[in-house]
Amino acid sequence: NAGVTQTPKFQVLKTGQSMTLQCAQDMNHNSMYWYRQDPGMGLRLIYYSASEGTTDKGEVPNGYNVSRLNKREFSLRLESAAPSQTSVYFCASSGGQPLDEQYFGPGTRLTVT
Amino acid sequence: GQSLEQPSEVTAVEGAIVQINCTYQTSGFYGLSWYQQHDGGAPTFLSYNALDGLEETGRFSSFLSRSDSYGYLLLQELQMKDSASYFCAVMFSGGYNKLIFGAGTRLAVHP
Repeated sequence: NAGVTQTPKFQVLKTGQSMTLQCAQDMNHNSMYWYRQDPGMGLRLIYYSASEGTTDKGEVPNGYNVSRLNKREFSLRLESAAPSQTSVYFCASSGGQPLDEQYFGPGTRLTVT
Repeated sequence: GQSLEQPSEVTAVEGAIVQINCTYQTSGFYGLSWYQQHDGGAPTFLSYNALDGLEETGRFSSFLSRSDSYGYLLLQELQMKDSASYFCAVMFSGGYNKLIFGAGTRLAVHP
Protein backbone atom coordinates (compact mmCIF):
# COMPACT_ATOMS: atom_id res chain seq x y z
CA ASN A 1 0.00 0.00 0.00
CA ALA A 2 2.01 2.97 -1.31
CA GLY A 3 -0.51 5.69 -0.36
CA VAL A 4 -0.01 8.75 -2.56
CA THR A 5 2.85 8.72 -5.04
CA GLN A 6 4.17 11.61 -7.14
CA THR A 7 6.57 11.80 -10.06
CA PRO A 8 9.03 13.30 -10.61
CA LYS A 9 10.61 14.17 -7.24
CA PHE A 10 12.70 16.99 -8.72
CA GLN A 11 12.48 18.94 -11.96
CA VAL A 12 14.23 21.93 -13.47
CA LEU A 13 12.53 23.72 -16.37
CA LYS A 14 13.40 26.69 -18.49
CA THR A 15 10.88 29.49 -18.84
CA GLY A 16 8.28 28.58 -21.44
CA GLN A 17 8.74 24.82 -21.22
CA SER A 18 5.82 22.57 -20.37
CA MET A 19 5.56 19.55 -18.14
CA THR A 20 3.07 17.30 -16.38
CA LEU A 21 3.28 16.29 -12.74
CA GLN A 22 1.83 12.87 -12.06
CA CYS A 23 -0.02 11.73 -8.95
CA ALA A 24 -1.60 8.40 -8.07
CA GLN A 25 -3.28 7.01 -4.96
CA ASP A 26 -4.13 3.44 -4.06
CA MET A 27 -6.54 4.11 -1.18
CA ASN A 28 -9.70 4.17 -3.33
CA HIS A 29 -10.24 7.82 -2.39
CA ASN A 30 -12.84 9.92 -4.15
CA SER A 31 -11.18 13.31 -3.84
CA MET A 32 -7.76 14.47 -4.97
CA TYR A 33 -5.96 17.81 -4.71
CA TRP A 34 -2.97 19.74 -5.97
CA TYR A 35 -1.24 22.25 -3.70
CA ARG A 36 1.81 24.43 -4.03
CA GLN A 37 3.97 25.42 -1.11
CA ASP A 38 6.20 28.48 -1.18
CA PRO A 39 8.46 29.46 1.72
CA GLY A 40 6.49 31.12 4.50
CA MET A 41 3.16 30.84 2.67
CA GLY A 42 1.83 27.48 3.72
CA LEU A 43 -0.07 25.31 1.25
CA ARG A 44 -2.26 26.88 -1.39
CA LEU A 45 -4.84 24.87 -3.29
CA ILE A 46 -4.36 24.95 -7.07
CA TYR A 47 -7.07 22.55 -8.27
CA TYR A 48 -9.09 19.77 -6.78
CA SER A 49 -11.25 16.91 -7.95
CA ALA A 50 -14.13 16.07 -5.64
CA SER A 51 -14.81 12.84 -7.52
CA GLU A 52 -13.82 11.06 -10.69
CA GLY A 53 -14.86 13.10 -13.70
CA THR A 54 -14.97 16.48 -11.95
CA THR A 55 -12.36 19.17 -11.40
CA ASP A 56 -12.60 22.65 -9.88
CA LYS A 57 -10.33 25.63 -9.38
CA GLY A 58 -8.76 26.33 -6.03
CA GLU A 59 -7.09 29.48 -4.74
CA VAL A 60 -4.30 29.79 -7.36
CA PRO A 61 -5.29 28.04 -10.63
CA ASN A 62 -3.76 30.45 -13.15
CA GLY A 63 -1.07 28.85 -15.32
CA TYR A 64 -2.14 25.29 -14.53
CA ASN A 65 -4.44 22.64 -15.91
CA VAL A 66 -5.47 19.32 -14.43
CA SER A 67 -6.82 15.98 -15.57
CA ARG A 68 -8.55 13.41 -13.41
CA LEU A 69 -7.60 10.46 -15.58
CA ASN A 70 -9.44 7.89 -13.46
CA LYS A 71 -10.19 7.38 -9.79
CA ARG A 72 -6.52 6.71 -9.01
CA GLU A 73 -4.72 9.38 -11.02
CA PHE A 74 -4.77 13.19 -11.02
CA SER A 75 -2.20 15.08 -13.11
CA LEU A 76 -1.15 18.73 -13.06
CA ARG A 77 0.12 20.40 -16.23
CA LEU A 78 2.15 23.56 -16.63
CA GLU A 79 1.71 24.65 -20.25
CA SER A 80 4.30 27.44 -20.25
CA ALA A 81 6.38 27.48 -17.09
CA ALA A 82 7.30 30.78 -15.44
CA PRO A 83 9.82 31.51 -12.65
CA SER A 84 6.86 32.38 -10.38
CA GLN A 85 5.88 28.70 -10.55
CA THR A 86 9.06 27.64 -8.78
CA SER A 87 7.68 25.84 -5.75
CA VAL A 88 7.11 22.50 -4.08
CA TYR A 89 4.00 20.77 -5.40
CA PHE A 90 2.04 18.36 -3.25
CA CYS A 91 -0.70 16.03 -4.34
CA ALA A 92 -3.20 14.80 -1.74
CA SER A 93 -6.23 12.55 -1.57
CA SER A 94 -9.12 12.00 0.81
CA GLY A 95 -12.35 10.10 1.12
CA GLY A 96 -14.14 13.32 0.21
CA GLN A 97 -16.25 13.95 3.28
CA PRO A 98 -15.64 17.21 5.22
CA LEU A 99 -13.99 15.45 8.16
CA ASP A 100 -11.82 13.06 6.18
CA GLU A 101 -8.13 13.63 6.63
CA GLN A 102 -6.04 14.37 3.57
CA TYR A 103 -3.08 12.14 2.74
CA PHE A 104 -0.19 13.85 1.04
CA GLY A 105 2.37 12.60 -1.43
CA PRO A 106 6.11 13.28 -0.97
CA GLY A 107 6.09 16.36 -3.21
CA THR A 108 7.76 17.53 -6.42
CA ARG A 109 10.40 20.23 -6.15
CA LEU A 110 10.15 22.34 -9.29
CA THR A 111 12.57 25.07 -10.29
CA VAL A 112 11.88 27.29 -13.30
CA THR A 113 14.88 29.29 -14.54
CA GLY B 1 -12.88 35.37 1.45
CA GLN B 2 -11.05 33.22 3.92
CA SER B 3 -8.07 34.01 6.10
CA LEU B 4 -6.23 32.26 8.91
CA GLU B 5 -3.65 33.67 11.27
CA GLN B 6 -1.14 31.77 13.34
CA PRO B 7 2.23 32.77 14.85
CA SER B 8 5.18 32.30 12.52
CA GLU B 9 7.54 30.82 15.11
CA VAL B 10 7.44 29.30 18.57
CA THR B 11 10.37 28.09 20.67
CA ALA B 12 10.20 25.72 23.65
CA VAL B 13 12.35 23.28 25.62
CA GLU B 14 12.06 19.52 25.85
CA GLY B 15 9.42 18.36 28.28
CA ALA B 16 7.53 21.65 28.20
CA ILE B 17 4.02 22.43 26.95
CA VAL B 18 3.40 24.72 24.00
CA GLN B 19 0.19 26.15 22.55
CA ILE B 20 -0.12 27.22 18.91
CA ASN B 21 -3.07 29.53 18.28
CA CYS B 22 -5.08 29.93 15.12
CA THR B 23 -7.74 32.51 14.35
CA TYR B 24 -9.82 32.39 11.20
CA GLN B 25 -12.30 34.35 9.15
CA THR B 26 -14.35 32.36 6.72
CA SER B 27 -17.81 31.57 5.43
CA GLY B 28 -19.21 28.07 5.28
CA PHE B 29 -17.03 26.92 8.16
CA TYR B 30 -17.24 23.23 8.95
CA GLY B 31 -14.27 22.58 11.17
CA LEU B 32 -10.61 23.18 11.93
CA SER B 33 -7.86 20.66 11.35
CA TRP B 34 -4.14 20.56 12.12
CA TYR B 35 -1.25 19.17 10.11
CA GLN B 36 2.40 18.64 10.96
CA GLN B 37 5.24 18.97 8.47
CA HIS B 38 8.89 18.18 9.10
CA ASP B 39 11.51 19.93 6.99
CA GLY B 40 11.62 18.38 3.53
CA GLY B 41 8.64 16.17 4.27
CA ALA B 42 4.96 16.02 3.44
CA PRO B 43 2.21 17.32 5.70
CA THR B 44 0.61 14.70 7.93
CA PHE B 45 -2.74 14.92 9.67
CA LEU B 46 -2.83 15.46 13.43
CA SER B 47 -6.39 16.24 14.46
CA TYR B 48 -9.62 18.04 13.67
CA ASN B 49 -12.40 19.80 15.57
CA ALA B 50 -15.87 20.16 14.14
CA LEU B 51 -17.51 20.97 17.50
CA ASP B 52 -16.50 23.34 20.27
CA GLY B 53 -14.23 21.89 22.89
CA LEU B 54 -11.06 19.92 23.36
CA GLU B 55 -10.02 16.82 21.42
CA GLU B 56 -7.14 14.80 22.84
CA THR B 57 -4.88 12.44 20.93
CA GLY B 58 -1.96 11.28 23.03
CA ARG B 59 0.42 14.16 23.71
CA PHE B 60 -1.46 16.43 21.30
CA SER B 61 -4.77 18.17 21.94
CA SER B 62 -6.75 20.56 19.78
CA PHE B 63 -9.38 23.06 20.83
CA LEU B 64 -12.06 24.97 18.94
CA SER B 65 -14.33 27.87 19.85
CA ARG B 66 -16.65 28.55 16.91
CA SER B 67 -18.12 31.66 18.54
CA ASP B 68 -14.63 33.18 18.81
CA SER B 69 -13.39 31.84 15.44
CA TYR B 70 -10.41 30.53 17.32
CA GLY B 71 -8.62 27.29 17.89
CA TYR B 72 -5.33 26.02 19.22
CA LEU B 73 -3.06 23.01 19.15
CA LEU B 74 -1.54 21.98 22.48
CA LEU B 75 1.60 19.88 22.52
CA GLN B 76 2.62 18.35 25.83
CA GLU B 77 5.81 16.66 26.99
CA LEU B 78 7.66 18.13 24.06
CA GLN B 79 10.29 16.00 22.36
CA MET B 80 13.02 17.00 19.93
CA LYS B 81 11.15 15.17 17.17
CA ASP B 82 8.26 17.62 17.59
CA SER B 83 10.39 20.31 15.93
CA ALA B 84 8.40 20.90 12.76
CA SER B 85 5.93 23.29 11.15
CA TYR B 86 2.31 23.11 12.24
CA PHE B 87 -0.54 24.26 10.02
CA CYS B 88 -4.11 24.97 10.92
CA ALA B 89 -6.58 24.48 8.11
CA VAL B 90 -10.22 25.40 7.74
CA MET B 91 -12.61 22.77 6.43
CA PHE B 92 -15.62 23.91 4.44
CA SER B 93 -19.15 22.60 4.29
CA GLY B 94 -20.48 21.68 0.89
CA GLY B 95 -20.24 17.92 0.72
CA TYR B 96 -16.56 17.61 -0.03
CA ASN B 97 -13.27 18.00 1.80
CA LYS B 98 -11.67 21.28 0.76
CA LEU B 99 -9.05 22.86 3.01
CA ILE B 100 -7.60 26.34 3.23
CA PHE B 101 -4.31 26.35 5.13
CA GLY B 102 -2.71 28.94 7.37
CA ALA B 103 0.89 29.99 6.73
CA GLY B 104 2.19 27.66 9.43
CA THR B 105 3.97 27.93 12.77
CA ARG B 106 7.54 26.74 12.97
CA LEU B 107 8.18 25.05 16.33
CA ALA B 108 11.76 24.68 17.53
CA VAL B 109 12.29 22.39 20.53
CA HIS B 110 15.58 22.82 22.37
CA PRO B 111 17.26 20.52 24.91
